[in-house]
Amino acid sequence: DIQMTQSPSSLSASVGDRVTITCQASQDISNYLNWYQQKPGKAPKLLIYDASNLETGVPSRFSGSGSGTDFTFTISSLQPEDIATYYCQQYDNLPPLYTFGQGTKLEIK
Amino acid sequence: EVQLVQSGAEVKKPGESLKISCKGSGYSFTSYWIGWVRQMPGKGLEWMGIIYPGDSDTRYSPSFQGQVTISADKSISTAYLQWSSLKASDTAMYYCARLDGRIDYWGQGTLVTVSS
Repeated sequence: DIQMTQSPSSLSASVGDRVTITCQASQDISNYLNWYQQKPGKAPKLLIYDASNLETGVPSRFSGSGSGTDFTFTISSLQPEDIATYYCQQYDNLPPLYTFGQGTKLEIK
Repeated sequence: EVQLVQSGAEVKKPGESLKISCKGSGYSFTSYWIGWVRQMPGKGLEWMGIIYPGDSDTRYSPSFQGQVTISADKSISTAYLQWSSLKASDTAMYYCARLDGRIDYWGQGTLVTVSS
């Protein structure tokens, strides 16, 4: 099974800061990597799909990059409403298999 | 509008059985995989398994194989997650989700509480 290592597990930053979260796969997953935001008491929300594609309606301050085993998620200018936990998730299509990273809890400093 | 609507919160005792549901609407239910995700209190997201309602092809995460049963009734566009004998450690929020490589739609979650 493919393992996903996400870091850091928690992060404190100030409004306006650039925030970066990384996710490493245990083997090559091409660009089959998605990023989600989860706010307390809510279902997760898709932000980035296939490593670097911004989901419709998601603010452009969110971005993703990477391929193979190493991936990065960035918030270019942190806003108060971005306080949440962020998860990476890899998938294979044949057969369909999914794995989440451990999550990164983002707080305002 | 695509929607996944899950059944309501449940409070059960250890050893009891339970079946929760996820009803899809606004899309072709038989054309997309549906997945189930567990989130224990204060913890991260865990992938449980998936089902393709078109032919009921079902796959389980190794951690959940034998612990739960995933099924679907395509005639009523509904997927299910069931337990035959609940444990206190099954206390969690359970989400269903539509899969298209990415997870583009989620249910609202079903909170299952198992306590004596």
